[in-house]
Amino acid sequence: EVQLVESGGDLIQPGGSLRLSCAASGFTVSSTYMSWVRQAPGKGLEWVSVISGGGSTYYADSVKGRFTISRDNSKNTLYLQVNSLRAEDTAVYYCTRWKGGYDSRFDYWGQGTLVTVSS
Amino acid sequence: SSELTQDPAVSVALGQTVRITCQGDSLRSYYASWYQQKPRQAPVLVIYGKDNRPSGIPDRFSGSSSGNTASLTITGAQADDEADYYCNSRDTTDNPSSVFGGGTKLTVL
Repeated sequence: EVQLVESGGDLIQPGGSLRLSCAASGFTVSSTYMSWVRQAPGKGLEWVSVISGGGSTYYADSVKGRFTISRDNSKNTLYLQVNSLRAEDTAVYYCTRWKGGYDSRFDYWGQGTLVTVSS
Repeated sequence: SSELTQDPAVSVALGQTVRITCQGDSLRSYYASWYQQKPRQAPVLVIYGKDNRPSGIPDRFSGSSSGNTASLTITGAQADDEADYYCNSRDTTDNPSSVFGGGTKLTVL
């Protein structure tokens, strides 16, 4: 059974940093695309970042240069390092598995971890 | 980056059929996927590709596409279908970046 379990969310001051983790089971993170999607309180879904099986990374313009996606194959875990946090980064961050191609989709989602940026 | 546009809210009478639409230039090149999100829950994939349902999704959910518009149709809406629905597709820049629509809140009357 595929499972994604996020952790690491917290209340953090503007300008601070956090590392979000996503422990995967039921499949191998290094064999597929993995992605982060976030949702600000009361708002819609926003794509944040993706890492390919080969390790290539891509980011939304809103987080480029501040966020870094990575993975630890030995732990089968995905990460999102979030730096220089702003109030507008406050959101639930979901870890997802992404299937690419012309019929792309996020087929599995974690339960989310809440990041609150506030002084 | 491209954008996907959805109506903010749609309502349907119990047992009737409702169509939720999503418009955007990326849909001319890529299929949409659709996600159902209930309050305080993670989104769930309900439709992807031409008209594919993941295991466990009822067959009253279906998808279609024409030009720059993708549609999610619920035939015989149930009270349990009341939720927010989001469309998604790859961006037009031919890398694995992605874009979501703003979401449609479905009310079942």
